[in-house]
Amino acid sequence: DAKTTQPTSMDCAEGRAANLPCNHSTISGNEYVYWYRQIHSQGPQYIIHGLKNNETNEMASLIITEDRKSSTLILPHATLRDTAVYYCIVLFSSGSARQLTFGSGTQLTVLP
Amino acid sequence: SAVISQKPSRDICQRGTSLTIQCQVDSQVTMMFWYRQQPGQSLTLIATANQGSEATYESGFVIDKFPISRPNLTFSTLTVSNMSPEDSSIYLCSVLPLGASGNKFNNEQFFGPGTRLTVL
Repeated sequence: DAKTTQPTSMDCAEGRAANLPCNHSTISGNEYVYWYRQIHSQGPQYIIHGLKNNETNEMASLIITEDRKSSTLILPHATLRDTAVYYCIVLFSSGSARQLTFGSGTQLTVLP
Repeated sequence: SAVISQKPSRDICQRGTSLTIQCQVDSQVTMMFWYRQQPGQSLTLIATANQGSEATYESGFVIDKFPISRPNLTFSTLTVSNMSPEDSSIYLCSVLPLGASGNKFNNEQFFGPGTRLTVL
């Protein structure tokens, strides 16, 4: 699987949009971009995933650049409960392998 | 979705002993995984638990140290054998539910709450 690079930490004011970047410059054509987050003392939680097109769900939006070498997760109105470690993961869609490989992630702190 | 429970939620164990962690899912799932999260670190995959056959271990993890069982589609156990303080971690079970979301590739995995293990 392709390697990802994320900033170690970020702060965001409560109520503002949180934009979390991820670089995956070696991503291949059939690798998806997944985002998970881990709130302290809990198991990771799926947020969103995409291949080429931008995606939106009730939790977040995922913006993938045209060359697919980077992406941004957007939490439109961050709350204190969004404080967590956010992981960007690329995953190969072919074959039977489905295991997630976690990097070090971005610690997002939402400030009151 | 899938609701996952793990037992025990936490334990304190003596060096040289073994602990078996249980993972129970409320629905049938295709794949089950075991992860380890050492203090202050990210998650590391230990193995994929295969129903009715031996688990598939990642590099650095071996069956003698982390024997895994998966007797059916909703249950798995991970044993941490001959423990040392370096095994102090959170151990998490993760599952991939049956069926994809329509025709779109979907690898939404669900994670259990974890088992916090301290080895003295």
